[in-house]
Amino acid sequence: AQKVTQAQTEISVVEKEDVTLDCVYETRDTTYYLFWYKQPPSGELVFLIRRNSFDEQNEISGRYSWNFQKSTSSFNFTITASQVVDSAVYFCALSGMEAHGGATNKLIFGTGTLLAVQP
Amino acid sequence: DAGVTQSPTHLIKTRGQHVTLRCSPISGHKSVSWYQQVLGQGPQFIFQYYEKEERGRGNFPDRFSARQFPNYSSELNVNALLLGDSALYLCASRGGANTEAFFGQGTRLTVV
Repeated sequence: AQKVTQAQTEISVVEKEDVTLDCVYETRDTTYYLFWYKQPPSGELVFLIRRNSFDEQNEISGRYSWNFQKSTSSFNFTITASQVVDSAVYFCALSGMEAHGGATNKLIFGTGTLLAVQP
Repeated sequence: DAGVTQSPTHLIKTRGQHVTLRCSPISGHKSVSWYQQVLGQGPQFIFQYYEKEERGRGNFPDRFSARQFPNYSSELNVNALLLGDSALYLCASRGGANTEAFFGQGTRLTVV
């Protein structure tokens, strides 16, 4: 069975602090994809990153960085110098991999972490 | 280009009624998926359609059904509504196998 656990229900930080959102996953598949999405109050899920199971390199995009460790089945997300606009619910998700290498359409989501950045 | 659009944005229904939710994918996207997000939870996969055929179904009762039209838009139908069907229903479209899923803003359904 596939499962994604986001143990942090809510995190509150003050602007400019760094914050790490944890994600632990379970899957029996040897090939899979991991994702992070942001959900602002408007409800739309905004894609942030996709990482396949072959690639354990960490990734940095501006103030965002991701740490993928297969050994601990974790895919953590760090926001550096947080801003009020970062306030949202963040979801980690897992999908299988199709034979041709693409992600399957069924995303398994965690329960999300509500990040509140105070000015 | 317009993103994924869903209608209506909000809906209130009575227990036992039927509801139809609509989704228009991004132009050129042939794959549409539906998710249910109950308050405080992550989205749960309901259906995926590609080229008008069902390609996947989540663990939802037969009261839930969907279809995709020749223009790739999609409808999600729920019969005999229960209070527990109250949720945000999200639609996502994809342009190809190795591309990302883009989500609409959802339809918030309240069953009273």
